[in-house]
Amino acid sequence: EDQVTQSPEALRLQEGESSSLNCSYTVSGLRGLFWYRQDPGKGPEFLFTLYSAGEEKEKERLKATLTKKESFLHITAPKPEDSATYLCAVQASVIQGAQKLVFGQGTRLTINP
Amino acid sequence: GAVVSQHPSWVICKSGTSVKIECRSLDFQATTMFWYRQFPKQSLMLMATSNEGSKATYEQGVEKDKFLINHASLTLSTLTVTSAHPEDSSFYICSAPGTTRREQFFGPGTRLTVL
Repeated sequence: EDQVTQSPEALRLQEGESSSLNCSYTVSGLRGLFWYRQDPGKGPEFLFTLYSAGEEKEKERLKATLTKKESFLHITAPKPEDSATYLCAVQASVIQGAQKLVFGQGTRLTINP
Repeated sequence: GAVVSQHPSWVICKSGTSVKIECRSLDFQATTMFWYRQFPKQSLMLMATSNEGSKATYEQGVEKDKFLINHASLTLSTLTVTSAHPEDSSFYICSAPGTTRREQFFGPGTRLTVL
């Protein structure tokens, strides 16, 4: 069974204090690992897709990396507007159901000014 | 990126009534759409896969007779919650794969409250 575990569950940082969020996964045949940002009462906003171990992607203060067992979302010098829940999801192989995403429970990030 | 819309954004209904939620892909066609449910402070749980022109595929434990899905066109999928009860109160979100089929774009969600 495909599983995604995110840690920590919640994280409070001071503005400018860099940190990393973790996403560990167990899936047979990884087709893609997705990172989303979700603000309260809204749908997830797409951030990144990673496809193979060693791949990295960046967007403003965010950088996502991927290994064979986990992904990290690095946040550099965060600002209060980066406060949100960050969701990790995996897309398994065609055999498991193409395009279906299995989500982790998310990390609630709060950046204090 | 591609845009997915949902309507309504929120709805309040009485127990026993049925509620229809629409999901539209605005600037692209989607032969497949996905419906998720999210309870407070929990993650997204896939309910069903909506397929244009054919029956939806439901995840284990999701009642197909209670959550009716119709994917009548390449840009519209609807979820009808039949005979809604307070325990059906949740945030319902749809998504659609992008043109490369390796991305998924989510709608803004529909907050359902059943009194």
